[in-house]
Amino acid sequence: DGGITQSPKYLFRKEGQNVTLSCEQNLNHDAMYWYRQDPGQGLRLIYYSQIVNDFQKGDIAEGYSVSREKKESFPLTVTSAQKNPTAFYLCASSSRPYQPQHFGDGTRLSIL
Amino acid sequence: GQQLNQSPQSMFIQEGEDVSMNCTSSSIFNTWLWYKQDPGEGPVLLIALYKAGELTSNGRLTAQFGITRKDSFLNISASIPSDVGIYFCAGFLSNNAGNMLTFGGGTRLMVKP
Repeated sequence: DGGITQSPKYLFRKEGQNVTLSCEQNLNHDAMYWYRQDPGQGLRLIYYSQIVNDFQKGDIAEGYSVSREKKESFPLTVTSAQKNPTAFYLCASSSRPYQPQHFGDGTRLSIL
Repeated sequence: GQQLNQSPQSMFIQEGEDVSMNCTSSSIFNTWLWYKQDPGEGPVLLIALYKAGELTSNGRLTAQFGITRKDSFLNISASIPSDVGIYFCAGFLSNNAGNMLTFGGGTRLMVKP
């Protein structure tokens, strides 16, 4: 089945540690996105990528990094510089820019 | 920052009732999208609207793209318990050169059997 796969479902981070969240899509979509969702809140854009080897900062990029080496993969690293990383992280993709985005099932990150 | 005002923030209704929620903005949008998010899962696209005045249905759901291009509403008829979740509106601004989707704050729907 085509879709967006995020892993792991739950992740725990120790203080000072970097962690990487995986996002893979087999929809052949050009564009991919990372969002952060805090309890009771809407979605805020962290980073997005319209094509391979290119990505742009969203509204809350500080403390995060991404790469887009392959069309189907857009991993997000939460660095130790992100002081409040506890949140629900959602990855999305769209066939082209300005097309509806489709979401994965999210990764919930917590601090130990 | 957030440019979409979504209301109400939450609704607690009786099963079988109709539901209406809306999003408004001071900016003009080219596209309106409505998503539903179940607890612990990602949002699922319900309806996409591309033209001012467009009225689109998906089962018991109906959504409209406002004539002014600054608002949209979503109606759910004859609600059932599985309608519970958070509904988000989202849209592409007409002046958006960066391909970013703007989201409303969500409407939390609770249905009493």
